[in-house]
Amino acid sequence: DSGVTQTPKHLITATGQRVTLRCSPRSGDLSVYWYQQSLDQGLQFLIQYYNGEERAKGNILERFSAQQFPDLHSELNLSSLELGDSALYFCASSVGVRGATTDTQYFGPGTRLTVL
Amino acid sequence: AQSVAQPEDQVNVAEGNPLTVKCTYSVSGNPYLFWYVQYPNRGLQFLLKYITGDNLVKGSYGFEAEFNKSQTSFHLKKPSALVSDSALYFCAVRDMRSSASKIIFGSGTRLSIRP
Repeated sequence: DSGVTQTPKHLITATGQRVTLRCSPRSGDLSVYWYQQSLDQGLQFLIQYYNGEERAKGNILERFSAQQFPDLHSELNLSSLELGDSALYFCASSVGVRGATTDTQYFGPGTRLTVL
Repeated sequence: AQSVAQPEDQVNVAEGNPLTVKCTYSVSGNPYLFWYVQYPNRGLQFLLKYITGDNLVKGSYGFEAEFNKSQTSFHLKKPSALVSDSALYFCAVRDMRSSASKIIFGSGTRLSIRP
């Protein structure tokens, strides 16, 4: 168990809908990362937050957004869902001390999103 | 551009034999390299990382990886494979192009250990 929790475990929804995925980082970790894992795209970085502020953006669609709250948990919002958004979404956290370049990211169990 | 390549989609090894999962990288500057393992229906688990120092890095579950700068490789190894090692393995490199800590993952190698 990495200490990173994600809810829900599974999510089934229809095209055009909006969903919210939740992540709680390990105790003491300030950085949260979101990744998408799909069969055709592999494991791709979406976005990173550090202590409530966005730090880096990857291949995140405009229909997707995220935020990190004062208690450091994070939510990933996916809207106008399409069939191709079906994937496993992982959250990871790290200590994230500003300027640190080598801290390890610990991953949650993921949320499996199925868009029908 | 920062990237990692895992040339083998699948590696099959008999239990008790040594295993190697290959990874090559391309980075500007010093490489920060990682190995993660993903078991079925589970998240990624950190195995080990190379930052600097000894080229042989020891990690979890008896795994180790050898950093080779001249060959730009970071192969994952284990002296004696277990059936329970069967999983999907990802090599990764930290993206040094920004101050953020995002990781770039390889495509993954499925390791299958037969009894």
